[in-house]
Amino acid sequence: DVKVTQSSRYLVKRTGEKVFLECVQDMDHENMFWYRQDPGLGLRLIYFSYDVKMKEKGDIPEGYSVSREKKERFSLILESASTNQTSMYLCASSPTGREETGELFFGEGSRLTVL
Amino acid sequence: AQSVSQHNHHVILSEAASLELGCNYSYGGTVNLFWYVQYPGQHLQLLLKYFSGDPLVKGIKGFEAEFIKSKFSFNLRKPSVQWSDTAEYFCAPQDGNNRKLIWGLGTSLAVNP
Repeated sequence: DVKVTQSSRYLVKRTGEKVFLECVQDMDHENMFWYRQDPGLGLRLIYFSYDVKMKEKGDIPEGYSVSREKKERFSLILESASTNQTSMYLCASSPTGREETGELFFGEGSRLTVL
Repeated sequence: AQSVSQHNHHVILSEAASLELGCNYSYGGTVNLFWYVQYPGQHLQLLLKYFSGDPLVKGIKGFEAEFIKSKFSFNLRKPSVQWSDTAEYFCAPQDGNNRKLIWGLGTSLAVNP
């Protein structure tokens, strides 16, 4: 089974802190994604990557950055956390192939609270 | 812009009742279609998918969905729900040009035993 592991299930940070959310997948997938999930807003794409060292902005990249130095690892960075970034963050991966990129494998999620 | 609409935000059923969750999307081009499910306390997972061919597709746990191109719909169905089907269900068409998934807001299903 594909496993997508997010480093922290729950985090509490202060406004202005730098936050790192780590994600590792073990199935050699080319594609990786970061979403945030908020009640009533569904899933919103923050950043994604179709290859190592490659990154593309999603729908809501403001206030976030990402790093993908190795194929299996995709990190989400909040340079200066703000209260409106309190959310559930979901990492996902998928194999390559035009159709398969819609078939995502998700991690358990990281619930971030910014005080 | 492409969009997706899930008609029901909250659904409450008794066990053995039939289920149909509506999903309509606005994209007119080639589209792949997905339903994802999130059980309480668990990660999102794929329920079923449609790429091409038979418009009636079957997924895990007895779920099925029908793609009706003329109606831009991909409704999810199950003839007889169980308490264990209590979950949140997301419809997600995939934009055929940029491969991005377009997520619905989700439908929360509660099945009473």
